[in-house]
Amino acid sequence: QKEVEQNSGPLSVPEGAIASLNCTYSDRGSQSFFWYRQYSGKSPELIMFIYSNGDKEDGRFTAQLNKASQYVSLLIRDSQPSDSATYLCAVWDPNAGKSTFGDGTTLTVKP
Amino acid sequence: DADVTQTPRNRITKTGKRIMLECSQTKGHDRMYWYRQDPGLGLRLIYYSFDVKDINKGEISDGYSVSRQAQAKFSLSLESAIPNQTALYFCATSDFHRDTRTNEKLFFGSGTQLSVL
Repeated sequence: QKEVEQNSGPLSVPEGAIASLNCTYSDRGSQSFFWYRQYSGKSPELIMFIYSNGDKEDGRFTAQLNKASQYVSLLIRDSQPSDSATYLCAVWDPNAGKSTFGDGTTLTVKP
Repeated sequence: DADVTQTPRNRITKTGKRIMLECSQTKGHDRMYWYRQDPGLGLRLIYYSFDVKDINKGEISDGYSVSRQAQAKFSLSLESAIPNQTALYFCATSDFHRDTRTNEKLFFGSGTQLSVL
């Protein structure tokens, strides 16, 4: 079992819809969770991070964390074609001091 | 100018050649990382360094070595390149806060596309 698993893509949604990206992790000791966006041919960039159970909202993005279920998700409201990218979930191991990434989910937002 | 700079951006080399990828940063961060990305496989950690004297192996360090020449410089070497090392390589930095242990946000360079023929 991979340490960090993301729902397999690709994911396609129409413009204006809600895109839901999911991630599960295996290490119950994980403390910090990150979502990176990577456009094709570009480097990943951090868009959201969350440490506590519940929801965290930033503009059109909402990160949700459920530590009991070892589950973190990213919701993108009012999806735009510019949101088309690969989204990488990362989980930080505080003991090793490093992050482990999922394989990513590719999102396409169709006009 | 980019805060995390990788050179070269692209490199084509032959099997058995030694190659070095370089990374420099102006962010003043202590922690630096080298990741490899293959299509559909996300990012896998090769080596990471917490400071000049603290270097650690990641999950796929075999066939690679690193050097932390200064706080701002972290280079990755392939002593004898092989075709399955063809990949996109990213250097990253983070500003870990020891006081709060709250986060480890990563800042990535633009990447080096390496092809080993």
